[in-house]
Amino acid sequence: DAGVTQSPTHLIKTRGQQVTLRCSPKSGHDTVSWYQQALGQGPQFIFQYYEEEERQRGNFPDRFSGHQFPNYSSELNVNALLLGDSALYLCASSLGTGGSGANVLTFGAGSRLTVL
Amino acid sequence: GIQVEQSPPDLILQEGANSTLRCNFSDSVNNLQWFHQNPWGQLINLFYIPSGTKQNGRLSATTVATERYSLLYISSSQTTDSGVYFCAEKGSYIPTFGRGTSLIVHP
Repeated sequence: DAGVTQSPTHLIKTRGQQVTLRCSPKSGHDTVSWYQQALGQGPQFIFQYYEEEERQRGNFPDRFSGHQFPNYSSELNVNALLLGDSALYLCASSLGTGGSGANVLTFGAGSRLTVL
Repeated sequence: GIQVEQSPPDLILQEGANSTLRCNFSDSVNNLQWFHQNPWGQLINLFYIPSGTKQNGRLSATTVATERYSLLYISSSQTTDSGVYFCAEKGSYIPTFGRGTSLIVHP
């Protein structure tokens, strides 16, 4: 049973560039959420995708955008990168947006982004 | 949104010791989860525990929803327990994490 897979695991970008991170949810899950974890902090919610639509969004600027595909996989795009975007980006999957299945998050290993 | 406070922020133990980690919440607790983040960054589910007590091996957790707190107990700690422990409350569909408790277990 495949868990949540994320790619790439590490990447380095320069200020102003754009980055795309990818996530495949756990088998049987249909909802994907993205989190940003700065060093020494807890994960912060970016947004959640369900049925190919953004359902919830945290306090992140429009430079952060996403997409969900029909196979439930998802992408996180960040434009005009800033030094402060350097972080571990985590993807979590769950089942649905309501009920007990939606409440249990399964995380991937993350993509570590460094912006120089 | 809901505020999540974790204590202690740091904890250093000798192998074999027991410990208690705590999460306090500013609002109602409905969908609480505990996670362990290993040194490589992987977040591992420990418990989904909106109320009551659960046990899994040397770990157990208790949530008292009416008093807005949750406790994670680690007994007979091992070096592999090292890492950061987070609690998270889903709240109004937007999960909120605490800042974590960093645990180091020395052999």
